Amino acid sequence: TQLLEQSPQFLSIQEGENLTVYCNSSSVFSSLQWYRQEPGEGPVLLVTVVTGGEVKKLKRLTFQFGDARKDSSLHITAAQPGDTGLYLCAGGGGTASKLTFGTGTRLQVTL
Amino acid sequence: DVKVTQSSRYLVKRTGEKVFLECVQDMDHENMFWYRQDPGLGLRLIYFSYDVKMKEKGDIPEGYSVSREKKERFSLILESASTNQTSMYLCASTEERTSTDTQYFGPGTRLTVL
Repeated sequence: TQLLEQSPQFLSIQEGENLTVYCNSSSVFSSLQWYRQEPGEGPVLLVTVVTGGEVKKLKRLTFQFGDARKDSSLHITAAQPGDTGLYLCAGGGGTASKLTFGTGTRLQVTL
Repeated sequence: DVKVTQSSRYLVKRTGEKVFLECVQDMDHENMFWYRQDPGLGLRLIYFSYDVKMKEKGDIPEGYSVSREKKERFSLILESASTNQTSMYLCASTEERTSTDTQYFGPGTRLTVL
């Protein structure tokens, strides 16, 4: 069974700070997605990366897929309260469309 | 706008009861999924379906079954609920049968088994 470990599990920061969330595995994935889940809602897709070393930016969020396609990171610059939520990475590559989700990182950004 | 709905936001059942969780999507997606979400464990796949009347086991199918009689509806069944099935249950659907496609999630059903 493929596993995706995320770190840290919890993160509480103040508005304006920068942070990085990590998603690590011993397995190789053909693709990696990041989702954000807000309280009372289902996860919503933020980004998909498919190439080792790929970097994608979404406003203040920067996503990177590791060269060996075993890990990924999410960096948020100048965090805002609207960034609060549960961040989940998800690796693909086994049975078509089946994803392995990470353990999750809960982020709280306060004023 | 894409929409996945789940029949209940909160559900409380007793041990041994049969429980039905319903999921409906309005996007004409062929692929549908059921996950359970527990703190520190992320989302774990219970069952998925690529077509009507078709089902495949996910990573944790024990104690669960599913039904897909219509394309838009995917039901999760707990034949005899147990306390260790207390969890948040999330349904999702995708258009394409690839791991790079977007999974659209419903809002979840928080099930408590007493």
